Amino acid sequence: EVQLVESGGGLVQPGSSLRLSCAASGFTFIDYAMHWVRQAPGKGLEWVSGISWRSDIIVYADSLKGRVTISRDNAKNSLYLQIDSLRAEDTASYFCIKAGGGHTRYFFDSWGHGTLVTVSS
Amino acid sequence: QSALTQPASVSGSPGQSITISCIGTSNDIGAFNFVSWFQQHPGKAPKLIIYDVTNRPLGVSNRFSGSKSGNTASLTISGLQAEDDSYYFCTSYTVAYTHVFGGGTKLTVL
Repeated sequence: EVQLVESGGGLVQPGSSLRLSCAASGFTFIDYAMHWVRQAPGKGLEWVSGISWRSDIIVYADSLKGRVTISRDNAKNSLYLQIDSLRAEDTASYFCIKAGGGHTRYFFDSWGHGTLVTVSS
Repeated sequence: QSALTQPASVSGSPGQSITISCIGTSNDIGAFNFVSWFQQHPGKAPKLIIYDVTNRPLGVSNRFSGSKSGNTASLTISGLQAEDDSYYFCTSYTVAYTHVFGGGTKLTVL
């Protein structure tokens, strides 16, 4: 069974940085692209970033480009998202997602339960 | 990366069929057959119900079906059941190698 467990969320000050982690299990992590998607309270879903199985394709949403960095450690079956210069509008649940294949174009196959990031002073 | 356009709400009675539209552009829905649909109950993670326009993952009821015409994708739910009362989102891959979501549609089963 695919399991994706996010961590690293919490209450943070505006302007600070945060690193989210996603521990993956139940599948061959190295074979699949991974993504981060966020959802602000009461709002719809927003795709944040994606990374291919070999990290040779890395893409970001225009709204966050320059402030976020996605990475993965295939030896540790882990996905990461670094967010810098956090703003109130970054307050959201951040979901880790397994894609349906190794390229970032594949559909969002399995979702974690999310980790909540709250940006407030 | 503008969001795809979905109706805010739709409703139907048990046993009926409903269709939810997802309107995009030639840069996303119209460019590829990479449209997906998700069901999300309150407080839960989204669940994939349709991928690549028409495909259903294992375990998803055949009451759910997807289609596409030009820049518009559609999700049809037939034989509505109370458990279908939920939020539904569409998403598409884009020519910019990104993904874009619809704003979501609340389905109410009357």
